[in-house]
Amino acid sequence: SQTIHQWPATLVQPVGSPLSLECTVEGTSNPNLYWYRQAAGRGLQLLFYSVGIGQISSEVPQNLSASRPQDRQFILSSKKLLLSDSGFYLCAWSVGRVGPDGEEQFFGPGTRLTVL
Amino acid sequence: QKEVEQDPGPLSVPEGAIVSLNCTYSNSAFQYFMWYRQYSRKGPELLMYTYSSGNKEDGRFTAQVDKSSKYISLFIRDSQPSDSATYLCAINTGGFKTIFGAGTRLFVKA
Repeated sequence: SQTIHQWPATLVQPVGSPLSLECTVEGTSNPNLYWYRQAAGRGLQLLFYSVGIGQISSEVPQNLSASRPQDRQFILSSKKLLLSDSGFYLCAWSVGRVGPDGEEQFFGPGTRLTVL
Repeated sequence: QKEVEQDPGPLSVPEGAIVSLNCTYSNSAFQYFMWYRQYSRKGPELLMYTYSSGNKEDGRFTAQVDKSSKYISLFIRDSQPSDSATYLCAINTGGFKTIFGAGTRLFVKA
């Protein structure tokens, strides 16, 4: 069966510090990978998605970046955190069935980031 | 108009009640509909998905899509305190983009 891991679970960082959040998926090959941010009382905001190694698409311009160095590894980074970067960050994967039929996504446990 | 609208609640019901959770959407071309359950401080968990119109049942849960009204529903029968969570509707538009509702917080009182 497939599992998705995220770490760390909780992170408190000062403004201006760097960020690195990691996500790995087990039990599947060549998944689509996604990073979302969830603010309190709001829906999930898609930040980045990737269909393969080194292939990253950005949905929202901001001071965050993403990388996919391996097939099942997805990293979210920032060089300098802002207060507005606080939130709950979720990694998700899907099987990569692109087309009009759509597909479901499976989420990791999330990382709660507080920027002070 | 938002692409997906969902009442944030909270919705509080007694144990054993039938719960109805709803979303409306704006684009009649949408075909793939999902419901996720999210416990506090956890990632969303996929509950059910439906393609096009109709009903789908899984245990105590029933998902319903009315494309003519652009309305999707999740019904929970015999609700339990363990059902207390936030429920997110989601619509995949056929590509990489999935649109999520803001979520409805449900409390089931014992």
